[in-house]
Amino acid sequence: GAGVSQSPSNKVTEKGKDVELRCDPISGHTALYWYRQSLGQGLEFLIYFQGNSAPDKSGLPSDRFSAERTGGSVSTLTIQRTQQEDSAVYLCASSGLTRGSTDTQYFGPGTRLTVL
Amino acid sequence: SQKIEQNSEALNIQEGKTATLTCNYTNYSPAYLQWYRQDPGRGPVFLLLIRENEKEKRKERLKVTFDTTLKQSLFHITASQPADSATYLCALSNQAGTALIFGKGTTLSVSS
Repeated sequence: GAGVSQSPSNKVTEKGKDVELRCDPISGHTALYWYRQSLGQGLEFLIYFQGNSAPDKSGLPSDRFSAERTGGSVSTLTIQRTQQEDSAVYLCASSGLTRGSTDTQYFGPGTRLTVL
Repeated sequence: SQKIEQNSEALNIQEGKTATLTCNYTNYSPAYLQWYRQDPGRGPVFLLLIRENEKEKRKERLKVTFDTTLKQSLFHITASQPADSATYLCALSNQAGTALIFGKGTTLSVSS
């Protein structure tokens, strides 16, 4: 596709349920990032993929959060047993270089997650 | 760890004036610094990247400076227009070079 796409655009769930968020990066981009943006806060880094590997997952806030990437393309961020503090906009970005953050990052529109 | 401060949460200016946004960082000096624009309900969009050995960079009405001694970047929009109204984010590479660390942003409002 022409840009990074994310689905769903909005997700409302009940506390304790599991959710899956999907990211389709720009075709050919090897690097993929997940960020979280809470109301009034800056973007918070979660995890970085290079190909299908995650050399940096230091931003995942707890073991309830996990992510995978398959075929060097689509990525899924899974949050288990959601809590109200997980409510935020989850943003995915991709870039074309093989070495992380020095390249321009192209962001998707985000998934707004609301945990009731 | 690296911290970034964008010292104004909000900036209101009149159309035609120059907007100046500030980004300060602590700790190590990054090799690159980037500026992004974010509109409500959308993801950030890349605007400019400046390297540590570049003092200034321009793109159309945008100008970015990078002072590694002061640990500061200034972002200028000249001849501002209402369409420039958005949140502007400063971002630096983390020390591992694996991700960007973002400031909280400055929301610019340009009135006509």
